[in-house]
Amino acid sequence: KAGVTQTPRYLIKTRGQQVTLSCSPISGHRSVSWYQQTPGQGLQFLFEYFSETQRNKGNFPGRFSGRQFSNSRSEMNVSTLELGDSALYLCASRRPTGNTGELFFGEGSRLTVL
Amino acid sequence: EDQVTQSPEALRLQEGESSSLNCSYTVSGLRGLFWYRQDPGKGPEFLFTLYSAGEEKEKERLKATLTKKESFLHITAPKPEDSATYLCAVQAGGGNQGGKLIFGQGTELSVKP
Repeated sequence: KAGVTQTPRYLIKTRGQQVTLSCSPISGHRSVSWYQQTPGQGLQFLFEYFSETQRNKGNFPGRFSGRQFSNSRSEMNVSTLELGDSALYLCASRRPTGNTGELFFGEGSRLTVL
Repeated sequence: EDQVTQSPEALRLQEGESSSLNCSYTVSGLRGLFWYRQDPGKGPEFLFTLYSAGEEKEKERLKATLTKKESFLHITAPKPEDSATYLCAVQAGGGNQGGKLIFGQGTELSVKP
């Protein structure tokens, strides 16, 4: 069974640009969460989508947005990039039953903003 | 404010030297406490879920315990392959918080042969 797949794995952008990251969850998983990981702040929750609807949102500015498609694939977008947006962006999916916090993470997309 | 604090930040052990990692938490209505392992360049990998004080879970050389204010991850006779960053996370109460976890900063464990 394939795991959570994130693309691209690495990317470099400059300040002011925008970026779109993609996540394909494990087959059958309908919930997708996004996290930002930095050395200073650790793992921080961005948002969660379930059945194409945003269910939860973390404490990030509106420049961070996401969406989910009918096949459960998800994308997140960051507009007007800032140097501080450099981070590892992790996507996670979870089983459709129960309200479990057992997440299955992808390997992440490492974003560098110059 | 919901918060998770892990200690120590880093831990260096000799192979076979048992120790414990600590996770202290402050959360409004704990729904679950989770331990994850993260290897360099990889996403976190789920290890355990604990729901109530007194609960214990074991997996190979790892044993997780939970009290009302903290959790411990005990590592018995560790091997070099146990080297990783161990992350603790909590799921707070109130509505459907499924995928929203609050993570600690992690403990970087290094086990030398």
